[in-house]
Amino acid sequence: NAGVTQTPKFQVLKTGQSMTLQCAQDMNHNSMYWYRQDPGMGLRLIYYSASEGTTDKGEVPNGYNVSRLNKREFSLRLESAAPSQTSVYFCASRGTGSGANVLTFGAGSRLTVL
Amino acid sequence: QKEVEQDPGPLSVPEGAIVSLNCTYSNSAFQYFMWYRQYSRKGPELLMYTYSSGNKEDGRFTAQVDKSSKYISLFIRDSQPSDSATYLCAMSGPQAGTALIFGKGTTLSVSS
Repeated sequence: NAGVTQTPKFQVLKTGQSMTLQCAQDMNHNSMYWYRQDPGMGLRLIYYSASEGTTDKGEVPNGYNVSRLNKREFSLRLESAAPSQTSVYFCASRGTGSGANVLTFGAGSRLTVL
Repeated sequence: QKEVEQDPGPLSVPEGAIVSLNCTYSNSAFQYFMWYRQYSRKGPELLMYTYSSGNKEDGRFTAQVDKSSKYISLFIRDSQPSDSATYLCAMSGPQAGTALIFGKGTTLSVSS
């Protein structure tokens, strides 16, 4: 079982470049999330998608866009990268029923913006 | 006051010690409480999941929730070097699917 798969694992960008982080889950989960994790700041929610066709802003959405391509895939795009976006990005998904409040995370994408 | 407070540590203990990790929270509506473990350069993985107050035990791990004090704990018995990781508490409100609020994580190091 792959669970939540993120690509790429590592990326170095120059200021102003754009890129898309990809996320796919194979657990048939409805909800998907993008977090960033910075030292001393914990996990902060960027955007989430409660179900296919919907997206909503989280705590730190500025500078990012998302696309829920289908039920499996949720991408995060940086249109014009800034050094402040240097971080580790985690995608997560959540199912329904008794496990509805449990997130399953991917392995992370480590992004450096020079 | 932040919704969830967690001492970042670091916490260093010898192998075999009992470890106590804690979080406090301010939102009395929280009903679901989780502990995630995160190894260096990995994604968080669910360790314990508790609904409302009480205790839950799984092997060497015990999760406690005291809603009257707005305080949750994770105890690790007979700690092992493989327990060295960052531990994040997370919690959410009563409706299924509501947003999880995370603590900032406590870094634990267990020396052999």
